[in-house]
Amino acid sequence: QSALTQPPSASGSPGQSVTISCTGTSSDVGGYNSVSWYQQYPGKAPKLVIYEVNKRPSGVPDRFSGSKSGNTASLTVSGLQAEDEADYYCLSYAGTTFLYVFGTGTTVIVL
Amino acid sequence: EVQLVESGGGLLQPGGSLRLSCEASGFTFNRHWMSWVRQAPGKGLEWVANMNPDASERNYLASVRGRFTIFRDNAKKSLFLQMNSLRVEDTATYYCAREGLPFARDVWGQGTTVIVSS
Repeated sequence: QSALTQPPSASGSPGQSVTISCTGTSSDVGGYNSVSWYQQYPGKAPKLVIYEVNKRPSGVPDRFSGSKSGNTASLTVSGLQAEDEADYYCLSYAGTTFLYVFGTGTTVIVL
Repeated sequence: EVQLVESGGGLLQPGGSLRLSCEASGFTFNRHWMSWVRQAPGKGLEWVANMNPDASERNYLASVRGRFTIFRDNAKKSLFLQMNSLRVEDTATYYCAREGLPFARDVWGQGTTVIVSS
């Protein structure tokens, strides 16, 4: 099972929006409403920011939103802030054979 | 406070064995699926294994199946990963994570580092 495909980097100025894609197949992203997104600062543990495609855990700002179309899921960070500069990973359930697969990761840069 | 604390990492040679531990606190451990996720130096996240609350079901990444064993002790609120026949490519920081939301890992430990090198 290959990792889901994410762009290596994405950038935006403070206050702008940035959208990160996560492309898989009909066996993972497209087959289940299971995509979650994680924010990770260097040397730190990941933090959940979106689950089940578009749901926000308690405490996550509503600047973070998720969506899915076909085999591609997306994470949008609106009103970019300096603290949003981090690595972001998607994760999808991939069925009973492969279980779970992460994306390749995207570094968000706040200009 | 909901918390996961991993331990047991270290430096060892290829072919060696190691047991990682993850101690949970602040939540009802025996109600949750639990996972191990790893991250090689400078690389992305990789799901390794998970186990259901009563330890009757366990799943593995294909490349570790047969070498790694996930198990838990609900009385001690602890999750474990027994790693045998370690390879250089198993070098990574290993995170313990709670599957507290559907398909998602909502609580993570700080990680423990395993280095396999000759």
